[in-house]
Amino acid sequence: QQQVKQSPQSLIVQKGGISIINCAYENTAFDYFPWYQQFPGKGPALLIAIRPDVSEKKEGRFTISFNKSAKQFSLHIMDSQPGDSATYFCASDAGNMLTFGGGTRLMVKP
Amino acid sequence: DAGVTQSPTHLIKTRGQQVTLRCSPKSGHDTVSWYQQALGQGPQFIFQYYEEEERQRGNFPDRFSGHQFPNYSSELNVNALLLGDSALYLCASSLGLSTLTGELFFGEGSRLTVL
Repeated sequence: QQQVKQSPQSLIVQKGGISIINCAYENTAFDYFPWYQQFPGKGPALLIAIRPDVSEKKEGRFTISFNKSAKQFSLHIMDSQPGDSATYFCASDAGNMLTFGGGTRLMVKP
Repeated sequence: DAGVTQSPTHLIKTRGQQVTLRCSPKSGHDTVSWYQQALGQGPQFIFQYYEEEERQRGNFPDRFSGHQFPNYSSELNVNALLLGDSALYLCASSLGLSTLTGELFFGEGSRLTVL
């Protein structure tokens, strides 16, 4: 499978701060880029997703920025809250077969 | 509306044994995919079932097999278990084969420990 590289592996942010997680992909056939949030003991839940025809998508406090030429995309969490503490996975898809990044463990300190 | 349900939630097996994991998709969904998530890593795609046939397969050996039933539920079978098969096995369901028709919904997984 083509790789999706995610960074950082872990992130500590103060409450109210901005959390930024980055991903890079290799396969130019990917046409769907979702971000998943996973709490301990739970399955991943879709947070927000983007397709390569737009460069940015915002939903509430969550924004995806997409750079097609650089084959990179990132998740920004504005006004981070302790309830956002979880593991975040980026993924890329070409035909509903998701390729996941390695995950970022986010801790938001009160 | 029930989401994706998986059973069992936890199980322990020994090397060489066989295991069957079960999944019921979200109501209205007809496609089931299986993923393996090792501790501290991202999920890895195993295979996808649609219309009772395996449609796509990731880089997993033939020891991993599956089935989809007419009611869209699915089973994952792993034969000749290895220690490295210890992981969280996630089932995901969707409507249709493409993300164009809808997002993937994940269950909470079956935690398999191989001793």
